[in-house]
Amino acid sequence: QVQLEQSGAEVKKPGSSVKVSCKTSGGTFSSFAISWVRQAPGQGLEWMGMVIPIFGTTYYAQKFQGRLTITSDASTTTASMELSSLRSEDTAVYYCGSSRGPTNGDFHYWGQGTLVTVSS
Amino acid sequence: DIQMTQSPFSLSASVGDRVILTCRASQTITGFLNWYQQKPGKAPKLLISAASSLQGGVPERFSGSGSGTDFTLTISSLHPEDFATYYCQQSYSLPYTFGQGTKLDI
Repeated sequence: QVQLEQSGAEVKKPGSSVKVSCKTSGGTFSSFAISWVRQAPGQGLEWMGMVIPIFGTTYYAQKFQGRLTITSDASTTTASMELSSLRSEDTAVYYCGSSRGPTNGDFHYWGQGTLVTVSS
Repeated sequence: DIQMTQSPFSLSASVGDRVILTCRASQTITGFLNWYQQKPGKAPKLLISAASSLQGGVPERFSGSGSGTDFTLTISSLHPEDFATYYCQQSYSLPYTFGQGTKLDI
């Protein structure tokens, strides 16, 4: 059974950056894609971007282009998401989710979520 | 980007009721439609993929149908644990997009 374990909650100042990691276990890291989805307080789910480790490719939602960097490290079976130039509107729970195949977009497995609070 | 619109925004129902949630895409997504259930403070859970494929461990009272632009999630008889928020998501093209959710409460 695939499991995703995310790093802990963060409190950041506006204008700074945050990096959240997603450690995978129980599966073949290169066999799936990992997406990042966020949820602002009381709001819905928003897809941010993804990485396909086997291809080494990334895709980002236009909204986050230039501010978001998603990486993967096969040696540690970990994916990471770094969001820069943080503003208060970036306060949200950030989830990583994985599909069962490198080109599949249905998220069978999820991390527990990481709360990122942006506040001065 | 493909816009996903769910209706209703919220729904009050009772244990034992049959409920139908709908999801509409702004353009055809063939059958690339997934349904998730989310409870407060928890990560979403995949219920149905590819419009109608029930995931393992998900009760058979959940079913999905539709293709093209119009989809439904049906819960045949509500159980107390089904009260949650439900999201549809298209995986037809990037960027993947979610509907705004339907909150199902008592």
